[in-house]
Amino acid sequence: DVKVTQSSRYLVKRTGEKVFLECVQDMDHENMFWYRQDPGLGLRLIYFSYDVKMKEKGDIPEGYSVSREKKERFSLILESASTNQTSMYLCASSPLGQPLSEQYFGPGTRLTVT
Amino acid sequence: KNQVEQSPQSLIILEGKNCTLQCNYTVSPFSNLRWYKQDTGRGPVSLTIMTFSENTKSNGRYTATLDADTKQSSLHITASQLSDSASYICVVSANTGGFKTIFGAGTRLFVKA
Repeated sequence: DVKVTQSSRYLVKRTGEKVFLECVQDMDHENMFWYRQDPGLGLRLIYFSYDVKMKEKGDIPEGYSVSREKKERFSLILESASTNQTSMYLCASSPLGQPLSEQYFGPGTRLTVT
Repeated sequence: KNQVEQSPQSLIILEGKNCTLQCNYTVSPFSNLRWYKQDTGRGPVSLTIMTFSENTKSNGRYTATLDADTKQSSLHITASQLSDSASYICVVSANTGGFKTIFGAGTRLFVKA
């Protein structure tokens, strides 16, 4: 079974802090994604990566950056957390062949910025 | 504008009953449509995936239909169980030569004993 893990299930940070969210997948997938999920809205793509050291902006990249130094690990960074970044963050991975390939999701990290 | 709209927003049914969730999309050019189930506090898990040429696909008690002409899909759940309580998300991918996937906001289903 594909396994996508995220470093924290719940996280509380203060405004202005730098926040790191980590995601690891164990299926040697080329593609990895970071989404945020807010009530009443669909998942919105923040960034994705299709290879090591490669990254592409999604629909809402402002206030975020990413890092992919190894194939299995994709990190989301909030340079200076703000209250409007309080959300559920979901990481996903998929093998080469998007958009036909299924994405496998991690359990999510619920981030609260106070 | 590429959009995916789901209805209803939420639904309460009694255990053992059937229900149908709707998804309308304007994503173009269409590549595929997927239904995901997301349990509370968990990541989404794929139920079905359909391409342009497929108009129905089943996964146990879940049956998805696709009408590519009217750009509508439905997810039918038969003989609902308490474990079906979850959000159901419709996801449509566009074949733009690059990556473009649009997520619906989901339908929140509550199954009562």
